[in-house]
Amino acid sequence: RKEVEQDPGPFNVPEGATVAFNCTYSNSASQSFFWYRQDCRKEPKLLMSVYSSGNEDGRFTAQLNRASQYISLLIRDSKLSDSATYLCVVNNGKTSYDKVIFGPGTSLSVIP
Amino acid sequence: NAGVTQTPKFQVLKTGQSMTLQCAQDMNHEYMSWYRQDPGMGLRLIHYSVGAGITDQGEVPNGYNVSRSTTEDFPLRLLSAAPSQTSVYFCASSYGGHTTEAQYFGPGTRLLVL
Repeated sequence: RKEVEQDPGPFNVPEGATVAFNCTYSNSASQSFFWYRQDCRKEPKLLMSVYSSGNEDGRFTAQLNRASQYISLLIRDSKLSDSATYLCVVNNGKTSYDKVIFGPGTSLSVIP
Repeated sequence: NAGVTQTPKFQVLKTGQSMTLQCAQDMNHEYMSWYRQDPGMGLRLIHYSVGAGITDQGEVPNGYNVSRSTTEDFPLRLLSAAPSQTSVYFCASSYGGHTTEAQYFGPGTRLLVL
């Protein structure tokens, strides 16, 4: 089993739709979790960290379920500008980045 | 504040050639990393550094060397390029090793090895 797995995608949704991505991780000792966004042929950029209690940033909501070992990202009222690849990132280390694992990403296309 | 910069943006090499990918950051970050990104795969860590003078191997270090003589710079050297090293290379930095720290990425270097 891969350490971090994501919905294969691509997700094609109309503007205004709500879309959710899931990401599962295999290491129960994982310390921290992030969602990054990567536009085509660009670098990844942090979208949001994922906290144990769940967190929201505008139209974006991230949830963590430690018992089932998955994190989720919900995008409400999708915009054309949300079209990108969304990377799930899990940090298995306590203090260093040698245990940061990136998922393969899920592609989202928001259609007019 | 330029953030993380990388040069060159594109490079074509022949098998066996060597080259250095440059990475610099002006945010005074202690942690810097090099990743490669291949289609259908997540970013994979090549080498990383937790401060000037300190480097360590990541998941896929073979064929690459790094050094960290200053806080700002973290070059990646390809010793003898192979077609399997065709990829997009990203340099990243972060402030410290806290478990909640996120990373800032450079724009990437697209490398083609013939």
